[in-house]
Amino acid sequence: NAGVTQTPKFQVLKTGQSMTLQCAQDMNHNSMYWYRQDPGMGLRLIYYSASEGTTDKGEVPNGYNVSRLNKREFSLRLESAAPSQTSVYFCASRTPTTNEKLFFGSGTQLSVL
Amino acid sequence: GENVEQHPSTLSVQEGDSAVIKCTYSDSASNYFPWYKQELGKRPQLIIDIRSNVGEKKDQRIAVTLNKTAKHFSLHITETQPEDSAVYFCAASIRPGGYQKVTFGIGTKLQVIP
Repeated sequence: NAGVTQTPKFQVLKTGQSMTLQCAQDMNHNSMYWYRQDPGMGLRLIYYSASEGTTDKGEVPNGYNVSRLNKREFSLRLESAAPSQTSVYFCASRTPTTNEKLFFGSGTQLSVL
Repeated sequence: GENVEQHPSTLSVQEGDSAVIKCTYSDSASNYFPWYKQELGKRPQLIIDIRSNVGEKKDQRIAVTLNKTAKHFSLHITETQPEDSAVYFCAASIRPGGYQKVTFGIGTKLQVIP
C-alpha cells in the first residue's frame, strides 16, 4: 500500500515547455486534488476531481489542465509553462468515509526558467 | 468563497513552553476544521481535526478549540519538543453538494528552541 504516489519529484522547464505531473493512489479514494504551495500563500487548490469522470476548477486553475484517467490516476498538465508556475505541487486524495482526512503525495518541485 | 486567515506566520518558543496558532474562517457553513503538519521537505500530514458540533478536542500534547460564533479555531501544543518544529496549516472544509472543498490558511512556521 503505497498511498499517494507523485512523479517526478523535481523538474526544471524552460518557459513555454509543456509537461505532465502524474499522481496515483491505491487507497480506493473517490476524490483527488492538485494543490500548489508557494511561500507565504499556503496550499492553493488548482483542480479537483470528486469522482472518476469528473473534474472541476479550484482557486487557481489558469494555465493548467487535468485528466482523471481512472479512479486511481489524476494528472496535471502545464501546456505552456511560465515562471509564475514555479512552485511545489502536491497531489492529494480523500477517504470516502466520514473521516475527511486528506492524504498527500510527496510533492513535485517545479522550476520554470 | 471561504477565506481562512492564520496567524502568526512564524512562532518561536523555548522547548517545554506552549505554542498557540489561531485561525479564522469566513463561511459559517464550514463544518470541518483539520490541522496539518508539514516537516521540512515533507508532505503535509493530518495531526488533529475538529467538527463543528464539538468545541474542543485533545490528543496527547495537542488540542484544538473551535468557537463557531466567532468563527475562529486554534491549535494548542503543550510541552513543546524540537520535533514539533514544522509548518502548521489550518483549514476549513465545507461540503457543497456532497463534495468536500478544503481551504487552507497560509501556514505557521513553528520553531522550538532547545
